[in-house]
Amino acid sequence: QVQLQQWGAGLLKPSETLSLTCAVYGGSFSGYYWSWIRQPPGKGLEWIGEINHSGSTNYNPSLKSRVTISVDTSKNQFSLKLSSVTAADTAVYYCARGRGVVVTARRGWFDPWGQGTLVTVSS
Amino acid sequence: QSVLTQPPSASGTPGQRVTISCSGSSSNIGSNTVNWYQQLPGTAPKLLIYSNNQRPSGVPDRFSGSKSGTSASLAISGLQSEDEADYYCAAWDDSLNGYYVFGTGTKVTVL
Repeated sequence: QVQLQQWGAGLLKPSETLSLTCAVYGGSFSGYYWSWIRQPPGKGLEWIGEINHSGSTNYNPSLKSRVTISVDTSKNQFSLKLSSVTAADTAVYYCARGRGVVVTARRGWFDPWGQGTLVTVSS
Repeated sequence: QSVLTQPPSASGTPGQRVTISCSGSSSNIGSNTVNWYQQLPGTAPKLLIYSNNQRPSGVPDRFSGSKSGTSASLAISGLQSEDEADYYCAAWDDSLNGYYVFGTGTKVTVL
């Protein structure tokens, strides 16, 4: 059974860079895309981007200029960096397993999800 | 940035049937499969329905999904108290270079 465990700094100041890592335990790491998704307090979900084991990425156009998702296949981990954060980036950030690498994104879904990390941006 | 529209709330008494709509466009629901997620209070979302109408192992058969044109629906039949949660639809959107989009979310209350 696949489990995702995530961690990272929970309090940032404006203009700093958000950094989170997600470790994957059990199952195949190389066979899937891995995503980051966020949820501002009391609001809905927003997809940030995805990466596969070879480092191929897709990003949400609204965040693309500030987002970098990377992968460390030796540790079955993937990471998120979001630069120049503002209060609008305050959210719970989730990692999640996405589509299989041979599956078109048009038919993808997210399962399972990590436990979530609350990141607060405040001066 | 939600491009899929859901009603903000829905409710029913135990045993009733509740339906949640998800309205999109030709670039998302009209072209791609729809998934639904259930988010219980204080927890991470959980996959409820994938590929329009498929239930993952362990999801009760009182949950069902359907899609027609640029809209999709989630039905909960035989509503139970533990179904009180937020529900989100999601799909790939083909616009720009493509990205996943979520619905605005629907809070289901069991009266």
